[in-house]
Amino acid sequence: AQKITQTQPGMFVQEKEAVTLDCTYDTSDPSYGLFWYKQPSSGEMIFLIYQGSYDQQNATEGRYSLNFQKARKSANLVISASQLGDSAMYFCAMRGFSGSARQLTFGSGTQLTVLP
Amino acid sequence: ETGVTQSPTHLIKTRGQQVTLRCSSQSGHNTVSWYQQALGQGPQFIFQYYREEENGRGNFPPRFSGLQFPNYSSELNVNALELDDSALYLCASSLVGSGGDSPLHFGNGTRLTVT
Repeated sequence: AQKITQTQPGMFVQEKEAVTLDCTYDTSDPSYGLFWYKQPSSGEMIFLIYQGSYDQQNATEGRYSLNFQKARKSANLVISASQLGDSAMYFCAMRGFSGSARQLTFGSGTQLTVLP
Repeated sequence: ETGVTQSPTHLIKTRGQQVTLRCSSQSGHNTVSWYQQALGQGPQFIFQYYREEENGRGNFPPRFSGLQFPNYSSELNVNALELDDSALYLCASSLVGSGGDSPLHFGNGTRLTVT
């Protein structure tokens, strides 16, 4: 079984500043993947970034980077140079590789608000 | 490429009724899964279909059932609707066998309200 914990229900950041969204996880799978998704008020889940447990380097995708600390079981999302359009709900999720199903386990989310 | 599309976008049903939600996978994807997202919570996995067979299921009762068709589109059926079934239902597709770990691509969801 997997568990994702996001301890920040809401976060505020000034436009153009960087922000870190926290995520910790727990799993018994030796190999797993970690994901971050963005959900605007429209409801669609937008894939942002992926980190494999076996990856040696932290993942980066444009303004998004994932601060992966395996020993601490944390996978924090860093958004650099925040934009007003970044205001949304952000979900951390994981998937273990031991089963055939590719289901994701999601955290409860962090509502990010970017202030002008 | 065509993304994941879901229909309808909104639906209102009465307790005890049955509902069918539809999803068209992203082109080239062969796996579809469904998630339920209650208000203010993260999505919860319902089940997944691969090659038209269910190959994974979350903690949902049998009145939640599904189908995957040869063109990889899918349906989610919910019988005997309960008030707690009110939620956003998300469909997601991915390509299994592509090597590596491909992310799930989600649709915009169907918002179901049960009164």
